[in-house]
Amino acid sequence: AQTVTQSQPEMSVQEAETVTLSCTYDTSESDYYLFWYKQPPSRQMILVIRQEAYKQQNATENRFSVNFQKAAKSFSLKISDSQLGDAAMYFCAYRSAFKNNAGNMLTFGGGTRLMVKP
Amino acid sequence: EAGVTQSPTHLIKTRGQQATLRCSPISGHTSVYWYQQALGLGLQFLLWYDEGEERNRGNFPPRFSGRQFPNYSSELNVNALELEDSALYLCASSFWKTGGMETQYFGPGTRLLVL
Repeated sequence: AQTVTQSQPEMSVQEAETVTLSCTYDTSESDYYLFWYKQPPSRQMILVIRQEAYKQQNATENRFSVNFQKAAKSFSLKISDSQLGDAAMYFCAYRSAFKNNAGNMLTFGGGTRLMVKP
Repeated sequence: EAGVTQSPTHLIKTRGQQATLRCSPISGHTSVYWYQQALGLGLQFLLWYDEGEERNRGNFPPRFSGRQFPNYSSELNVNALELEDSALYLCASSFWKTGGMETQYFGPGTRLLVL
């Protein structure tokens, strides 16, 4: 079974600065997808960024980018120019790449609470 | 385009009662997933429905059940409610496309409180 670990329960960043959230995972599969979701106080999970394991290039979405290290099974999220609206819980998630009955659900890490200081 | 919708937003029940939660997926999405987010337990996978069939279920007792309707909307039923069933229940929908990257999009959740 796959596991996802987020070792930082809480992180804090000054507005306009950069912060990196860590995520490691364990899997024996060669092809899979990784995601970062954001959950603000409203509780709705919002997709931030996604990465396909077979793609070497790190994904980027505006101020959000990832550092994907497949051999190290690491998938960190970098938020540049942090804004007050970035304050939320951030969840790293793993999913198998293949449509099968065994493993199409998302496996989530425990989350990192990000606080943004004005 | 409308996102995933869930109803009700809040639900208060007493122990032993039954709860029914509803989810409408994004138009064109045929897969619906249910997750439970309980305090201290993180996000746990509950059920996956695809094309009207239950495809997989997480490590939850049989009193958690559901179904998917022909229009791909879904219902989650929780029978014989227990206090520990109090949680946020999140629904997500997706569409599988050959060669494409399936991504799950979440609804706002239903907060269930069992007294």
